[in-house]
Amino acid sequence: EVQLLESGGGLVQPGGSLRLSCAASRFTFSNSAMSWVRQAPGKGLEWVAGISGSGGSTYFADSVKGRFTISRDNSKNTLYLQMNSLRAEDTAIYYCAKAPGASYYLQIDYWGQGTLVTVSS
Amino acid sequence: DIVMTQSPDSLAVSLGERATINCKSSRSVLSSSNNKNYLAWYQQKPGQPPKLLIYWASTRESGVPDRFSGSVSGTDFTLTISSLQAEDVAVYYCQQYYDTPFSFGPGTQVDIK
Repeated sequence: EVQLLESGGGLVQPGGSLRLSCAASRFTFSNSAMSWVRQAPGKGLEWVAGISGSGGSTYFADSVKGRFTISRDNSKNTLYLQMNSLRAEDTAIYYCAKAPGASYYLQIDYWGQGTLVTVSS
Repeated sequence: DIVMTQSPDSLAVSLGERATINCKSSRSVLSSSNNKNYLAWYQQKPGQPPKLLIYWASTRESGVPDRFSGSVSGTDFTLTISSLQAEDVAVYYCQQYYDTPFSFGPGTQVDIK
């Protein structure tokens, strides 16, 4: 069974930075596009960022563009989300999500359990 | 950006009865290159991550019970639970993956009447 294990969440002050990681296992990581999707407390789902299987193509939601960076290390089977200039509205559970192919123009077939990011002073 | 809307916001259905959830995209998510609608449905239970139910608007994910089905008419999409079971209580989201930024509908809460 596919495993996606997020880490790195926590409490951070507004304007601060945080780096999330997602350790992937039990599938060929480099063959799968990956994404980060977040969910504010009691709210719906928001796609944050995506990266192709090779890492050569990325995209970001307008709400995080210029502040967040997505990257991957296919040799370590790990996905990252570098979050800078954090705002209160970035408070959410951040899910690591996998696509069934190398393009991110696909559905999400597996989700991690999520890691909570709280931005507050 | 493509905006996804869902209706109703919530519904309560008796056990064994049909539940119907609607989703509408603000513009077409149909690809002319492969004739597929880039639309998925997810189920999210409290305290859990979402789970994929349907992709390409009507293809059921492996392991998903056949009481779940998806259909499409233009930019209108429907998720049907043919015979509601207690374990189907959840929030259901539609999502388009046709164009970035990919977007989700606001969700529909399904409960037992």
